[in-house]
Amino acid sequence: QKEVEQNSGPLSVPEGAIASLNCTYSDRGSQSFFWYRQYSGKSPELIMFIYSNGDKEDGRFTAQLNKASQYVSLLIRDSQPSDSATYLCAVLFNDYKLSFGAGTTVTVRA
Amino acid sequence: NAGVMQNPRHLVRRRGQEARLRCSPMKGHSHVYWYRQLPEEGLKFMVYLQKENIIDESGMPKERFSAEFPKEGPSILRIQQVVRGDSAAYFCASSRDRGGNSPLHFGNGTRLTVT
Repeated sequence: QKEVEQNSGPLSVPEGAIASLNCTYSDRGSQSFFWYRQYSGKSPELIMFIYSNGDKEDGRFTAQLNKASQYVSLLIRDSQPSDSATYLCAVLFNDYKLSFGAGTTVTVRA
Repeated sequence: NAGVMQNPRHLVRRRGQEARLRCSPMKGHSHVYWYRQLPEEGLKFMVYLQKENIIDESGMPKERFSAEFPKEGPSILRIQQVVRGDSAAYFCASSRDRGGNSPLHFGNGTRLTVT
């Protein structure tokens, strides 16, 4: 099983702050990276994907990828209570197999 | 524009019974994946199917577990003679194609409880 490691949580941030989530992966050949959000008892929901080195922004979310260092991160700007969830980093292997990290639970304090 | 549909949402089985979990992929998606999520753990890949074919079942226990995706109808994950350790959330996902340009979309899952 290819390894995907996420920074340990839980992560608690005040409303309006930036939440920063990190993820490292073991397979240097990986090309596709995803962030899913999972509310308690619900299904994972795709929020970002990134394939190229650098930053990718979508609304309040920014994904950052550094293939040389084998890490991918997610920034959530202007955090809202509705952002409170578990965030799953996922890396695609063999063109079809997603390997997930254990997740980082984020709590946004009002 | 329905998403991935799974049923039942909750399933309770006694030890030794069979569990059948169903998944209908999104319209236009012919690739189906099953993942298992144990309490306080991440999602683990079980099996990847493409219409009528099992492509990769390396994450599925060799005994008691089987999966199919027939030409007509939903994909089925079948667990025979369930044990307490099978209690978990089972998620199905689908994609239009293989590869990173075709992200996986997940269903709401089936939560299996073995008593």
